[in-house]
Amino acid sequence: AQKITQTQPGMFVQEKEAVTLDCTYDTSDQSYGLFWYKQPSSGEMIFLIYQGSYDEQNATEGRYSLNFQKARKSANLVISASQLGDSAMYFCAMREVSGYSTLTFGKGTMLLVSP
Amino acid sequence: NAGVTQTPKFQVLKTGQSMTLQCAQDMNHEYMSWYRQDPGMGLRLIHYSVGAGITDQGEVPNGYNVSRSTTEDFPLRLLSAAPSQTSVYFCASSYGQAVYGYTFGSGTRLTVV
Repeated sequence: AQKITQTQPGMFVQEKEAVTLDCTYDTSDQSYGLFWYKQPSSGEMIFLIYQGSYDEQNATEGRYSLNFQKARKSANLVISASQLGDSAMYFCAMREVSGYSTLTFGKGTMLLVSP
Repeated sequence: NAGVTQTPKFQVLKTGQSMTLQCAQDMNHEYMSWYRQDPGMGLRLIHYSVGAGITDQGEVPNGYNVSRSTTEDFPLRLLSAAPSQTSVYFCASSYGQAVYGYTFGSGTRLTVV
């Protein structure tokens, strides 16, 4: 079974609008971390934001926020005031405390920001 | 501070050839991983290591070999390249606790013909 599900293969948004990228996860661990990475067309993996399973407040990093709903096992990324440079592939990932704590990725969402 | 360094950036191999993708990190991270990225598949874990001398298989280990003799280096060996191994390969490293994300190298684009 997939541990990380990103149901939106592609999303379109106009510049200056907000966009939400969906991510649901599956784990039986009580302690885990959720991450979002951005991959622009140049190919590098850029860390955006982190949410711990015990964090009571949603994480924020500049224009990025993570809408964490633990009971629903969702960790959606919200990008406010989209910019052309936000066009990229976005990956949701989870790191569980149990086992050897590797990073498990979803299949990604391609975001295109239009002028 | 170099972070995670992968070499080479691009490589073309013939079917049956072997090669080693190099990965080095200078952050004293215990954990290191190799991923492959294919269109529509996200990043899939090939092998990982939780410290020098300790390695294990990930989701897609067949056709690949790893070793970790030092904390800094984690090379990935393709034993006999196949066209199905055409992919982009990423090396990543992290501290052991789950609160830490992984730092990624810039990737190696491998084509097997």
